[in-house]
Amino acid sequence: GAGVSQSPRYKVAKRGQDVALRCDPISGHVSLFWYQQALGQGPEFLTYFQNEAQLDKSGLPSDRFFAERPEGSVSTLKIQRTQQEDSAVYLCASSLGPGFYEQYFGPGTRLTVT
Amino acid sequence: AQTVTQSQPEMSVQEAETVTLSCTYDTSENNYYLFWYKQPPSRQMILVIRQEAYKQQNATENRFSVNFQKAAKSFSLKISDSQLGDTAMYFCAFSAGGTSYGKLTFGQGTILTVHP
Repeated sequence: GAGVSQSPRYKVAKRGQDVALRCDPISGHVSLFWYQQALGQGPEFLTYFQNEAQLDKSGLPSDRFFAERPEGSVSTLKIQRTQQEDSAVYLCASSLGPGFYEQYFGPGTRLTVT
Repeated sequence: AQTVTQSQPEMSVQEAETVTLSCTYDTSENNYYLFWYKQPPSRQMILVIRQEAYKQQNATENRFSVNFQKAAKSFSLKISDSQLGDTAMYFCAFSAGGTSYGKLTFGQGTILTVHP
């Protein structure tokens, strides 16, 4: 079946622009995670959704970062007024739900802020 | 808070040989899961192997096996009969169990290069 998909795969934004990154999880997966991966580093947790509820947003680095999953399926990560330090790969992952610990990752969106 | 440490930034191995990647972690949890993920240059993260902390037996998946030392908080990955396709960044990751929803904490990664 289809895996996790993300779009766009690459995004170049000028400093100060707003961007929206999309994640389509595996159908039926209750849990959805966003991670930020700086170049040459391990991913770092940003936020977690269980269905449409955002249960943990402790990893969002600032109030410029906002995520939503209004119908419990597709999720969007929005970054307002992008800064150079936002340049990273943004990974989305999904899992069957709480208690299922295997996460399936998408290919990521590489964001470059110039 | 949990931390995961991978002390080997880069490793290399000859094709068909065996290599071991190291990982240590720190947690106060008693119920947790440990994972090794592989991230090839295409960047799609793939699960290689997982270990439940309550299981004493080390997990094995074909050429991949782990050495899980719970008391030492050590979780190393052994790759046998290395293949060119094993070239990738490898991440060790931790997830609390129980009622946790499974947020992953990753190490810094180890770049593995398999030479022909």
